[in-house]
Amino acid sequence: SQQGEEDPQALSIQEGENATMNCSYKTSINNLQWYRQNSGRGLVHLILIRSNEREKHSGRLRVTLDTSKKSSSLLITASRAADTASYFCATPTDGGATNKLIFGTGTLLAVQP
Amino acid sequence: NAGVTQTPKFRVLKTGQSMTLLCAQDMNHEYMYWYRQDPGMGLRLIHYSVGEGTTAKGEVPDGYNVSRLKKQNFLLGLESAAPSQTSVYFCASSDPQGTNEKLFFGSGTQLSVL
Repeated sequence: SQQGEEDPQALSIQEGENATMNCSYKTSINNLQWYRQNSGRGLVHLILIRSNEREKHSGRLRVTLDTSKKSSSLLITASRAADTASYFCATPTDGGATNKLIFGTGTLLAVQP
Repeated sequence: NAGVTQTPKFRVLKTGQSMTLLCAQDMNHEYMYWYRQDPGMGLRLIHYSVGEGTTAKGEVPDGYNVSRLKKQNFLLGLESAAPSQTSVYFCASSDPQGTNEKLFFGSGTQLSVL
């Protein structure tokens, strides 16, 4: 079963626009992570936000976390063609004891040049 | 620094054949994981290991076996492959020390079972 569900499933924007992806999860967490996957490649960690944080920034990425709504959002500002990829949210399954993660189904982002 | 390396990258099997996927990491990580990725389903955890000589079942362990004889290697075995095991397999590792919970992934193995 999936812990995280991303919305939308697919998103197409023009270069320079902002892209927002949302993630909902089911159980209490101590952190939430976002990963990127380029076509035919493995996942790459982007950012981690802890349950006591509401917002976190990393370069052009902004992540928010609302634990009361069990949801998170990933904002990519001033998107580039190189941002074209699938984006997944992931949450720990056992309170982080073994770093096991459950992944959502992902958002496929296409940035048109 | 290679990170997480998976071999082979592609493989085609016939139903009933066996094979082993190899994962090697050079980051001295304690934890290692095997996931499978199917279209529209995200990644699902098959098995994982929290240290040399230990293994545990994940969400979808049936039809797979694993071994962690050396800290740097994590092997995934299919004893009798089935078409339902056609998937992309990813190995990952992580470091339990400190506050670094993120996973490092290999580039994947695309497996087709005919």
